Amino acid sequence: DAKTTQPPSMDCAEGRAANLPCNHSTISGNEYVYWYRQIHSQGPQYIIHGLKNNETNEMASLIITEDRKSSTLILPHATLRDTAVYYCIVRVAWGAGGTSYGKLTFGQGTILTVHP
Amino acid sequence: DGGITQSPKYLFRKEGQNVTLSCEQNLNHDAMYWYRQDPGQGLRLIYYSQIVNDFQKGDIAEGYSVSREKKESFPLTVTSAQKNPTAFYLCASSTPPGQGNTEAFFGQGTRLTVV
Repeated sequence: DAKTTQPPSMDCAEGRAANLPCNHSTISGNEYVYWYRQIHSQGPQYIIHGLKNNETNEMASLIITEDRKSSTLILPHATLRDTAVYYCIVRVAWGAGGTSYGKLTFGQGTILTVHP
Repeated sequence: DGGITQSPKYLFRKEGQNVTLSCEQNLNHDAMYWYRQDPGQGLRLIYYSQIVNDFQKGDIAEGYSVSREKKESFPLTVTSAQKNPTAFYLCASSTPPGQGNTEAFFGQGTRLTVV
């Protein structure tokens, strides 16, 4: 699976949009971009994923650049409860064989702090 | 309700003892994973299994062992060979790539303390 690079920390004011960047310059054509978040001492929670088109759900929006080498997770109206560690990962979307098949690898993530 | 369950939530063991952490899922997922998380750090992959009776080492498998005899269960044994076993352990499951949405579902974790 391709590696990702995220800033270690970001701040955001409550009610404003939080834009979390992720670089994945070595992403392959069969890899999706996934975002998870982890609130302290809990298991990570799935947020959103996409292949090449922008995606939106009730939690967030995902913007993927045309060359797919980077993406941005957008929380449109951040609240204090959105304070968490946000992980961007890339994962094979269909069988590619080899020992990496099915592997799910997390990086260090971005600590997002939403302040009043 | 479907989900993934880890037990116990807190576990204490004496140094030198093996300990087994439980992970059960009723989501009919083929793939299951074990991660370790240390304070202030990200998740590191210990072992993963794509199908029953098969599993692969992750990035930090030394001192750990797993089994996958049933689709629903993927227990992790922390052996006495693991030098720093005190950590937060997370289990996850997902459908393998190529079978629809492959989002992973995580348990709530087991916090292991070795004294």
